[in-house]
Amino acid sequence: QKEVEQNSGPLSVPEGAIASLNCTYSDRGSQSFFWYRQYSGKSPELIMSIYSNGDKEDGRFTAQLNKASQYVSLLIRDSQPSDSATYLCAVNRLDAGNMLTFGGGTRLMVKP
Amino acid sequence: GAVVSQHPSRVICKSGTSVKIECRSLDFQATTMFWYRQFPKKSLMLMATSNEGSKATYEQGVEKDKFLINHASLTLSTLTVTSAHPEDSSFYICSATPRGGGGYTFGSGTRLTVV
Repeated sequence: QKEVEQNSGPLSVPEGAIASLNCTYSDRGSQSFFWYRQYSGKSPELIMSIYSNGDKEDGRFTAQLNKASQYVSLLIRDSQPSDSATYLCAVNRLDAGNMLTFGGGTRLMVKP
Repeated sequence: GAVVSQHPSRVICKSGTSVKIECRSLDFQATTMFWYRQFPKKSLMLMATSNEGSKATYEQGVEKDKFLINHASLTLSTLTVTSAHPEDSSFYICSATPRGGGGYTFGSGTRLTVV
């Protein structure tokens, strides 16, 4: 079992819809969770971080964390074609220093 | 916010030559930097962890004599691909995080093409 798992997609949603991206992780010691967006040919950029159970909202993005289920998700409201990218989930253990473990990424396609 | 500068952004080199890639943290000190490689339509693959003032830690399967990492200061890490071959052609990305932790900040990446 991979440490951080994501459906590779592609996930296709129409413009204006809600895109739901999911991530599961195997290490119960994980304490920090991050979502990165990566456009083709570019390096990843951090869009959300979440550290405690529940929801965290930032503009059109909402991260959801459920440590009991070892599940973290990212919701994108009012999806735009410019949101089309690969979304990477990453987790970190406190005792792992600054090392993040990345999932394989989910490719999102928002169709006009 | 934290900025990581990576150069060059794109390089084409001949097979058998060496290429150096630089990664600088511009507004913070990074005791640790990470080097990733990414093949087309694949996920990030951690190559090595670069620690200031000490030897890098390489992931399994990554040749330390081929991918030389130097982290001479708290703001600079370099990756040298020695005796490059076409199969080394890839997108190389560095990342760092401020001492207080948090998510990585990635460099802009280096597209290496070996011909």
